[in-house]
Amino acid sequence: GNSVTQMEGPVTLSEEAFLTINCTYTATGYPSLFWYVQYPGEGLQLLLKATKADDKGSNKGFEATYRKETTSFHLEKGSVQVSDSAVYFCALRYNNDMRFGAGTRLTVKP
Amino acid sequence: NAGVTQTPKFRILKIGQSMTLQCAQDMNHNYMYWYRQDPGMGLKLIYYSVGAGITDKGEVPNGYNVSRSTTEDFPLRLELAAPSQTSVYFCASSSGSQLSTDTQYFGPGTRLTVL
Repeated sequence: GNSVTQMEGPVTLSEEAFLTINCTYTATGYPSLFWYVQYPGEGLQLLLKATKADDKGSNKGFEATYRKETTSFHLEKGSVQVSDSAVYFCALRYNNDMRFGAGTRLTVKP
Repeated sequence: NAGVTQTPKFRILKIGQSMTLQCAQDMNHNYMYWYRQDPGMGLKLIYYSVGAGITDKGEVPNGYNVSRSTTEDFPLRLELAAPSQTSVYFCASSSGSQLSTDTQYFGPGTRLTVL
């Protein structure tokens, strides 16, 4: 079956630090991959996505590359801000099957 | 343009009671979804719909029912509430025009506690 495994948190960083949140997946076919972000008290919002191998998704300084050989989609940002504090979810979609990782809580301190 | 709206925001139920969680979207999206989010866990798909009159089970459908009589509305029904259904419930919608790039838009969630 399809599944997503995500780096466990919480992650605490100082402002301007480098961020990596690891995500690996298992899929029977070739899924699309997503990163969603959830701010306190809100629903999830799409952060970025990639639909095929070697695609790079990017938004708001965040990036992730679809690596078929390692079945990974790690999220990175070069310099985090306090406003990036949130829970980040890795997800895959294969036809109508949607799978989410458990989420990684990021706290950025000034 | 309100996006995806959910009511109520919070609810406490007793074991065995029933209730309907409401979800509406004003983006004319074909696809709608219901998820539950348990503490420390990712979202799990309960049911989804690809259009009015068409629904299908997701990963965790037991104990729930849905209907889709209009494009806009996708209510989720709990018939006999159980403590295991204590969770945060999210409704989402998407256009469904191309599944591989389809972006889901989420509502703010309903926090349900069953005692």
